[in-house]
Amino acid sequence: DGGITQSPKYLFRKEGQNVTLSCEQNLNHDAMYWYRQDPGQGLRLIYYSQIVNDFQKGDIAEGYSVSREKKESFPLTVTSAQKNPTAFYLCASRGTGGPHEQYFGPGTRLTVT
Amino acid sequence: EDQVTQSPEALRLQEGESSSLNCSYTVSGLRGLFWYRQDPGKGPEFLFTLYSAGEEKEKERLKATLTKKESFLHITAPKPEDSATYLCAVQAEGNKLVFGAGTILRVKS
Repeated sequence: DGGITQSPKYLFRKEGQNVTLSCEQNLNHDAMYWYRQDPGQGLRLIYYSQIVNDFQKGDIAEGYSVSREKKESFPLTVTSAQKNPTAFYLCASRGTGGPHEQYFGPGTRLTVT
Repeated sequence: EDQVTQSPEALRLQEGESSSLNCSYTVSGLRGLFWYRQDPGKGPEFLFTLYSAGEEKEKERLKATLTKKESFLHITAPKPEDSATYLCAVQAEGNKLVFGAGTILRVKS
């Protein structure tokens, strides 16, 4: 089955620790995205990558970092510099040269205490 | 600044009671408007893409329409399984999506 996987589904960390969220896709999509979702707010873009070894900051990139070493993978690191890291994190991907819709993974709920 | 506003924030319907969700947008150079369905604790599921004013798309009990300033998601004779949060997003310059906050729909039997 083609799709996007995110792991783990739930993640708990202590304040001050860095944590990496995994995102893998087997859709052969070039572009990948990371969003953050908070209650009552729309999805907000953290980082995106349109091609391997290249990525751009989104609207709320402070306190986050990413890498794109493989087409299939786009991990997100939430650093200790992120002031309010507790949230639902969503990864998405999109093919290029065709429809513009993004397809989402199941999400990772991160809780930092 | 590109902006998407969805209304109402929440909507309660009886099973079979048709209604519409609204998505109004301001964007310089609309390149597409998207509707998604999101169940609690899950990722959004793609429903429709609309590209130009006057366009309509249908899927089962859902019908999406687009004007130059807004989009409507019409739900005809809803069932309890249609209960979800419905998200609207626009694609502006570049390949980024701007999302609205969503409408939470509850359909009671």
